[in-house]
Amino acid sequence: DAGVTQSPTHLIKTRGQQVTLRCSPKSGHDTVSWYQQALGQGPQFIFQYYEEEERQRGNFPDRFSGHQFPNYSSELNVNALLLGDSALYLCASIVWGGNQPQHFGDGTRLSIL
Amino acid sequence: SQQGEEDPQALSIQEGENATMNCSYKTSINNLQWYRQNSGRGLVHLILIRSNEREKHSGRLRVTLDTSKKSSSLLITASRAADTASYFCATSLADKLIFGTGTRLQVFP
Repeated sequence: DAGVTQSPTHLIKTRGQQVTLRCSPKSGHDTVSWYQQALGQGPQFIFQYYEEEERQRGNFPDRFSGHQFPNYSSELNVNALLLGDSALYLCASIVWGGNQPQHFGDGTRLSIL
Repeated sequence: SQQGEEDPQALSIQEGENATMNCSYKTSINNLQWYRQNSGRGLVHLILIRSNEREKHSGRLRVTLDTSKKSSSLLITASRAADTASYFCATSLADKLIFGTGTRLQVFP
């Protein structure tokens, strides 16, 4: 039973570039959430996708966008990268409305030069 | 912004001792969850306690929840070197997790 998988593991970009991160949810899960974790901080909620629609959004600018595919996998896109976007990006999955623990992937470490 | 804070920010103990971490939060919740994170890796779920529960146990873990004080505590008994990690509490409302600032636990052999 595959857990949450994320790709790539590490990524280095320069300011102004665009990046796409990918996530496959745990088998049987239909809802994907994305979190940003800066060094030494707790994760912060970016947004959540269910039935291919953004259902909730945290306090992040429009440069952060996402997509969910019919197979429940998801992408996080960040445009016009800033130095402050350097962080660990975590994907979590759950069954919609289940009030259950979320399952996290190992994250993508994004470094902006 | 973070939902609340965890206390202490860092904790160092010897193997065999107990470790207690506290978490405060600000808003209504459906449940509160505790996660562990080893350095630079993903979060591992430890225990979930629902808003109508007051205490929950799982192996060496004991979690309490006081919704009137908007606080929770995690107790790890008989700690091991392998428990060395960062521990986060997260409140959940409509499956949106709001994390605390975390406690860094160091367990010395």
